[in-house]
Amino acid sequence: EIVLTQSPGTLSLSPGERATLSCRASQSVSSSYLAWYQQKPGQAPRLLIYGASSRATGIPDRFSGSGSGTDFTLTISRLEPEDFAVYYCQQYGSPFGPGTKVDIK
Amino acid sequence: QVQLVQSGAEVKKPGASVKVSCKASGYTFTSYGISWVRQAPGQGLEWMGWISAYNGNTNYAQKLQGRVTMTTDTSTSTAYMELRSLRSDDTAVYYCARVTMARGVIISPTVYWGQGTLVTVSS
Repeated sequence: EIVLTQSPGTLSLSPGERATLSCRASQSVSSSYLAWYQQKPGQAPRLLIYGASSRATGIPDRFSGSGSGTDFTLTISRLEPEDFAVYYCQQYGSPFGPGTKVDIK
Repeated sequence: QVQLVQSGAEVKKPGASVKVSCKASGYTFTSYGISWVRQAPGQGLEWMGWISAYNGNTNYAQKLQGRVTMTTDTSTSTAYMELRSLRSDDTAVYYCARVTMARGVIISPTVYWGQGTLVTVSS
């Protein structure tokens, strides 16, 4: 079973700053099957990125995904107030990473 | 539109069982699978497993093997997740989610989620 590790655990940034979140897999993951989700308190997760780099419907272009093999990255180019949340990576149909919390500095 | 509507909150005693339902609408139920994910208070997302609504095949997280059973009722487009021998650390919000499957593998990310069901295990 592939284990996903996310870093950092918490990222403290100000609105307008750039956020870079990392997801590392214990063994190679097909890029086609890597997704990123955003979750806010009291809400179900929302799909942001699928196939490692494709934005889901309605997701702003400040969100981008990249990577291959065992190392993947979610980048938020300029943080908006609504982007402060927890972000998870997942290989489809498998356990999630532990999450990265992006909070306001 | 695709909707997944889950059953209401449950309070159970340690050692009991709980069965959460997830009624699907807005799509052909047997053309997809249902994944179950839970989230303990203040914790991350824990993948529990999935079931194919086409043929009933299942894949459970190793940690829950022997305690969890996922089933579907195609006549009512409803998926069920039963968890037995409940412990306090099973207290969580339980989500169902629609997934696309091919040859026993999930080939899509999760776009559609249920609203979540809070299961509280307490004596």
